[in-house]
Amino acid sequence: QAVLTQPSSLSASPGASASLTCTLRSGINVGTYTIYWYQQKPGSPPQYLLRYKSDSNNQQGSGVPSRFSGSKDASANAGILLISGLQSEDEADYYCMIWYSSASVFGGGTKLTVL
Amino acid sequence: QITLKESGPTLVKPTQTLTLTCTFSGFSLSTSGVGVGWIRQPPGKALEWLALIYWDDDNRYSPSLKSRVTITKDTSKNQVDLTMANMVPEDTATYYCVHEPAAGKTDWFDPWGQGIQVTVSS
Repeated sequence: QAVLTQPSSLSASPGASASLTCTLRSGINVGTYTIYWYQQKPGSPPQYLLRYKSDSNNQQGSGVPSRFSGSKDASANAGILLISGLQSEDEADYYCMIWYSSASVFGGGTKLTVL
Repeated sequence: QITLKESGPTLVKPTQTLTLTCTFSGFSLSTSGVGVGWIRQPPGKALEWLALIYWDDDNRYSPSLKSRVTITKDTSKNQVDLTMANMVPEDTATYYCVHEPAAGKTDWFDPWGQGIQVTVSS
C-alpha cells in the first residue's frame, strides 16, 4: 500500500470549492506530519503551493492566492487541499508530499478539472 | 531570483550510467539550511523523489533507488550532480532539479528547474 493515496481525478465547477484529499497509509498518523502541496500544469514543472501541519503551523507559498488552503481530517487520516472560488486556471494536477523516514514521498496526484 | 537548470544526455542505453548536472544561481549551497535535490516524473505518471544534498554534505536518498543513485555537489561551481547506474527503460522520465530553502531540513521544494527529458532505449 502506498504511503500517500490521492484520488486520480476530481471535477468541479467554476466558482465552486474543491477539496483534494491525501490519505496517509494506515499506521502513519497524519497529525505527526506536515503535508506539502504542489500544482503542476501541463508542460510545466510543479510549483509549491503551501504546507500544513496545524492551524498554527502552516505556510503559504510565495504569491499563492489565499483561495488555496490546507487542513487535515484526523478521522480520515488525511491531509486536505481546499481550493475556493475555482477558476479555469486552477485546472491542473495536484500532488501532496510528506517527509517519511528521512525521505520525501509524493502521492500519485489528482487531476482537477474545472468545467 | 533563484534559478536551476538541468543538463546532461537525453538518450542513454540500457545498462549505462546516467549523469545529470544541475546548475543553479541566486543562492549558495554553502548557506546553512539549503539543499538541492532531484525528482523525476515518467511520462503521464506521478512525481518520484530521488535524492537531496544539503549544505553540510548530508545526503538523503530514496530507499528504493539508494543502491543506484549518487548525489554530489560542487559548491564553487554552483552545481549538483546526480548519477544513476544501470539504467533501464523504466527510468525514462523528466528529471527535475529542485531547491530546498534554508528553513531547516526536510521541507518544501521551491523553485523547480524546467526539467530534462531522459529516454532509456537501445
